[in-house]
Amino acid sequence: GQNIDQPTEMTATEGAIVQINCTYQTSGFNGLFWYQQHAGEAPTFLSYNVLDGLEEKGRFSSFLSRSKGYSYLLLKELQMKDSASYLCAVRPSSGSARQLTFGSGTQLTVLP
Amino acid sequence: GAVVSQHPSWVICKSGTSVKIECRSLDFQATTMFWYRQFPKQSLMLMATSNEGSKATYEQGVEKDKFLINHASLTLSTLTVTSAHPEDSSFYICSAQRAGSNYGYTFGSGTRLTVV
Repeated sequence: GQNIDQPTEMTATEGAIVQINCTYQTSGFNGLFWYQQHAGEAPTFLSYNVLDGLEEKGRFSSFLSRSKGYSYLLLKELQMKDSASYLCAVRPSSGSARQLTFGSGTQLTVLP
Repeated sequence: GAVVSQHPSWVICKSGTSVKIECRSLDFQATTMFWYRQFPKQSLMLMATSNEGSKATYEQGVEKDKFLINHASLTLSTLTVTSAHPEDSSFYICSAQRAGSNYGYTFGSGTRLTVV
């Protein structure tokens, strides 16, 4: 089966750094995605990791450890607009089209 | 590039009626489209995987006769909620995977369905 865990809620202050963790146990692995979703809107792509290590993209970075079944999304220099739900999603197997399995999402609130 | 248009953005319908939601890939061909449902403060739950020219694959617990999916072309998939009930009220989102792409998933803007 598929099991993806991430914290339900987090709160941080504008300008700070926050790390959102995600652990997964899936049947096969072929990539982990992070999405940002504002209330009432569709998810927007943030990052994709398939190999171990850190991927940096501006204020956002994502880390993956396949042996530990662990990833985190790091948000630096937080802005108010970063208040949103952050979804961790795993692509469970290789090959042709495979659906993503999503975690429950972490609701991040950025305070002034 | 890689834009997916979903229509309508929101719809209110009466109990017992049917509602059709369209998902179009505007600038690429999508061999596979996924339909998700999201209840308030919950994550996306996959309902079905739609492949062009073949029958959709439904997830366990999703009634295929209630949620009709048609993927007649490489750019269009439709989800029809038949005989809608208030418990079907939810946010429905489609996602398209580009033909030949290993990981490119593009989401539609979502449809807020309210059944009264």
